[in-house]
Amino acid sequence: RKEVEQDPGPFNVPEGATVAFNCTYSNSASQSFFWYRQDCRKEPKLLMSVYSSGNEDGRFTAQLNRASQYISLLIRDSKLSDSATYLCVVNFEGGTSYGKLTFGQGTILTVHP
Amino acid sequence: DGGITQSPKYLFRKEGQNVTLSCEQNLNHDAMYWYRQDPGQGLRLIYYSQIVNDFQKGDIAEGYSVSREKKESFPLTVTSAQKNPTAFYLCASSGLAGIWSYEQFFGPGTRLTVL
Repeated sequence: RKEVEQDPGPFNVPEGATVAFNCTYSNSASQSFFWYRQDCRKEPKLLMSVYSSGNEDGRFTAQLNRASQYISLLIRDSKLSDSATYLCVVNFEGGTSYGKLTFGQGTILTVHP
Repeated sequence: DGGITQSPKYLFRKEGQNVTLSCEQNLNHDAMYWYRQDPGQGLRLIYYSQIVNDFQKGDIAEGYSVSREKKESFPLTVTSAQKNPTAFYLCASSGLAGIWSYEQFFGPGTRLTVL
């Protein structure tokens, strides 16, 4: 089982749609969680951190479910500019991992007119 | 402007040659990282460094080497021992060494192709 697993998609949605991505992680000792956005052939950039109580940033909402070991990203009112790959990132602590960031393979989103 | 620069953007190498990828940051970050990304896959950690003159192997260090002689610079050498070096290489840095939960900032990447 992969340490961080995402549905690779692609997700094709019309402008204005609501779309949700899920990500599961295998290490219950994980401490920090993030969503990064990566545009085609570009570097990843932090979209938002994910906090235990859930958090919202404009049209984006992130949720964490520690019991089930998954995080989610909800995008409301999708824009053409939201088209990108969304990377789920988890920070493991302890053992030999030294808290390194582990990246999922990414979920591709395409928003069309 | 503060940020991370990587050069070159595209690099072509013949089999059997060593090549060095440059990574420079002016963010005054302690920690720096090298990742490799293959199509349809997530980023995999090659090497990381939390302070000058110290670095650690990541998950896929075989066939790679690094140095950290200055805080601002963390070059990666892809040696001829790396069996499948064609990939997108990303350098990153973060502000607090050892505190992995802080945001990592990425450079624009180098696309290496072995001919």
